[in-house]
Amino acid sequence: DAMVIQNPRYQVTQFGKPVTLSCSQTLNHNVMYWYQQKSSQAPKLLFHYYDKDFNNEADTPDNFQSRRPNTSFCFLDIRSPGLGDAAMYLCATSRSGLDYEQYFGPGTRLTVT
Amino acid sequence: QKEVEQDPGPLSVPEGAIVSLNCTYSNSAFQYFMWYRQYSRKGPELLMYTYSSGNKEDGRFTAQVDKSSKYISLFIRDSQPSDSATYLCAMSVLEYGNKLVFGAGTILRVKS
Repeated sequence: DAMVIQNPRYQVTQFGKPVTLSCSQTLNHNVMYWYQQKSSQAPKLLFHYYDKDFNNEADTPDNFQSRRPNTSFCFLDIRSPGLGDAAMYLCATSRSGLDYEQYFGPGTRLTVT
Repeated sequence: QKEVEQDPGPLSVPEGAIVSLNCTYSNSAFQYFMWYRQYSRKGPELLMYTYSSGNKEDGRFTAQVDKSSKYISLFIRDSQPSDSATYLCAMSVLEYGNKLVFGAGTILRVKS
């Protein structure tokens, strides 16, 4: 089945220790998104790639970076995680920038100790 | 003020009840309105989609959009225990493609 896969599902990191979350998709979609979802809060868009074009949200902290080496994979790097970065990180894809439907992965729950 | 407001619940109903879930929004430019369902430990999945104002029905689910009131609703008829999930409303402005703005989600529990 075509899908969006996120690894790992659960990640524990120490305060200030860099961490990388990964997302892969078999849908061959052009657009990939990273959302941050804190407990009982709305998913918040961090950035998205339209093909290789990177689009950063204005309020996304510099501590968050992303890489998309090819169509299938996208990575979220948190350079120096703080306690406030503990959240669920959701990866999503869509066929194009004009396609309203986004397909989400199961998320990676990040804990910062 | 948040761009999209959604009552977090939890909303607890008996099996077979009619459920009404609602969101209000402040940005009159929103044109696409969606409802996503999120089961525990899973990512959101698109449930219903409506463009501009009006109603849309899909089986037991009906989505309504009232742009004049900046208010959207999702109705679930004959609710089932399998409908227990978090329901997130989401909206977007056409010119920005599909950058979605989500509500915080309403937790629904349907008791058998």
